[in-house]
Amino acid sequence: SQQGEEDPQALSIQEGENATMNCSYKTSINNLQWYRQNSGRGLVHLILIRSNEREKHSGRLRVTLDTSKKSSSLLITASRAADTASYFCATDYNNNDMRFGAGTRLTVKP
Amino acid sequence: ETGVTQTPRHLVMGMTNKKSLKCEQHLGHNAMYWYKQSAKKPLELMFVYSLEERVENNSVPSRFSPECPNSSHLFLHLHTLQPEDSALYLCASSQDWLGSYGYTFGSGTRLTVV
Repeated sequence: SQQGEEDPQALSIQEGENATMNCSYKTSINNLQWYRQNSGRGLVHLILIRSNEREKHSGRLRVTLDTSKKSSSLLITASRAADTASYFCATDYNNNDMRFGAGTRLTVKP
Repeated sequence: ETGVTQTPRHLVMGMTNKKSLKCEQHLGHNAMYWYKQSAKKPLELMFVYSLEERVENNSVPSRFSPECPNSSHLFLHLHTLQPEDSALYLCASSQDWLGSYGYTFGSGTRLTVV
């Protein structure tokens, strides 16, 4: 069964705005990862945050993790049209079994 | 290029055909994975190989048969598929079988079963 669930399912914003996507999961984890997927392509690894970390940054990306609420958020600041893609969170459900959510479809309008 | 190469990019096959998907990585990773991505569904883990040994088989129908001849190559052999098997098949690799450092994905094979 699905472990991570992203919210919202779809998000549409204007270029320059910030985009926030959330992920909730059910069981305890060692790490949580965020990926991006352009239409019909493979997934690209963005950030990995470990269970003992609360926040992590990479360029315009900021990820937070709240293990007490079993949730994570991905913030993309100053969005660009090129950020249009689907974003997935993944958790290590059972050691080598990484479970992905259904994704958030982000559209950034120029 | 991510370092994980999948071929072919597109494949159309009849239900009685036999075909194979190929995945190759030269990242020095020790684990490789097959995922299935259907429209509007989460990615489904199909198979996991660690150091060429299968460590996970998520109740995948026998019409899908994986093969891992060495740590750099992974195949998915297909036979007598059904139309509902049409999907994007993604290969991934990771440094260790726990995915502790994230996964590297290939671009996928878009499979259509007619």
